[in-house]
Amino acid sequence: DAKTTQPPSMDCAEGRAANLPCNHSTISGNEYVYWYRQIHSQGPQYIIHGLKNNETNEMASLIITEDRKSSTLILPHATLRDTAVYYCIVRGALNDMRFGAGTRLTVKP
Amino acid sequence: DAGITQSPRHKVTETGTPVTLRCHQTENHRYMYWYRQDPGHGLRLIHYSYGVKDTDKGEVSDGYSVSRSKTEDFLLTLESATSSQTSVYFCAISESAFNEQFFGPGTRLTVL
Repeated sequence: DAKTTQPPSMDCAEGRAANLPCNHSTISGNEYVYWYRQIHSQGPQYIIHGLKNNETNEMASLIITEDRKSSTLILPHATLRDTAVYYCIVRGALNDMRFGAGTRLTVKP
Repeated sequence: DAGITQSPRHKVTETGTPVTLRCHQTENHRYMYWYRQDPGHGLRLIHYSYGVKDTDKGEVSDGYSVSRSKTEDFLLTLESATSSQTSVYFCAISESAFNEQFFGPGTRLTVL
């Protein structure tokens, strides 16, 4: 079973920020939080990951709460091409990559 | 895009026949993974490799075997395919254990 809980679906207006929440209340100290997305039936695409600190790259920002029990992926200016299923994954071991059902984000014009 | 290919891209086979899927990379990454994805589900890890001839089981390894004789190739074998193994199979690679994984385009396998 996945170690994370995500809403099944969300909508976002084009050009606005998309904030995708993830709950991982049982996370351990050595476990990372990863975000991937999958567009249609393509292979998943890596977005960002972090351990404790907030992270930012050219695609998104990852905000992890101080107690590490939840996190938020932020797409600052969503476009139609960001419509996808977004997976939040907690991983501490090499074979511990469990994707769960993810959040289906729909960006609307 | 990372240099990772999968072959074949589509395959239809019959129950009881052996099937081998190939994952090929040109990135010289140490780690390689096989996942399966079924409708309405996220990906589930089948097997992974942490070096040539070094492999280990994932979450759903029953009915599958793997081999890695060269850095660039990771083979997934279904010794005797069953209908429950109808799925889309994704290969992934990563440079180090906890770096990002890059995924291939997938292989759609149908077992009749």
